[in-house]
Amino acid sequence: DIQMTQSPSSLSASVGDRVTITCRASQSISSYLNWFQQKPGKAPKLLIYVVSTLQSGVPSRFSGSGSGTDFTLTISGLQPEDFATYYCQQTYRTPFTFGPGTNVDVK
Amino acid sequence: DVQLVESGGGLVQRGGSLRLSCAASGFTFSRYWMSWVRQAPGKGLEWVANIKQDGGEKYYVDSVEGRFTISRDNAENSLYLQMYSLRVEDTAVYYCARDAATGAYSLSDYWGQGTLVTVSS
Repeated sequence: DIQMTQSPSSLSASVGDRVTITCRASQSISSYLNWFQQKPGKAPKLLIYVVSTLQSGVPSRFSGSGSGTDFTLTISGLQPEDFATYYCQQTYRTPFTFGPGTNVDVK
Repeated sequence: DVQLVESGGGLVQRGGSLRLSCAASGFTFSRYWMSWVRQAPGKGLEWVANIKQDGGEKYYVDSVEGRFTISRDNAENSLYLQMYSLRVEDTAVYYCARDAATGAYSLSDYWGQGTLVTVSS
């Protein structure tokens, strides 16, 4: 199975900060990489797919980049509603594994 | 609007069985792959299984292979997860998700609210 790792596992930030989360795959997954946001008690929400394509309705402060094994999610100008847990997921090969998550909380 | 509503969760003893359902509406169900994803209490997301539009292809994570069966009824716009030989570690909220596709790329773009399965020892 393809293993996904994320760093950091958690971070504290302030409104307006630029936040970067890294995701790494145990083997090359080309561009088969999605990002999800999850808030407590809620279902995950798709933010970005195929590395860098924003899902409809997702604010442009979210962006994604990378290829192969290394990927990043950037939030440019953190907003109050962005405090949440973020997961990457590879869909290169089943099982479509998720990273362990990065919790973004208030500094 | 796209809606996915899971049901069938509950408390079951170790070794028992449970069948989860996911009722889909607001889109042409038969055109989409569908998935189940679970989340143990306080833990991250774990992809469990998915199924092709016609049910002809199914894939599972190793930890449930042979114990869980994913299926669908396109006439009823419903997705199912039959779970057997349940283990304490199967305790989780189970989400169903619609898998859209752009070219060869898969993305779970809509999710249900989840149903909680608790396996007691």
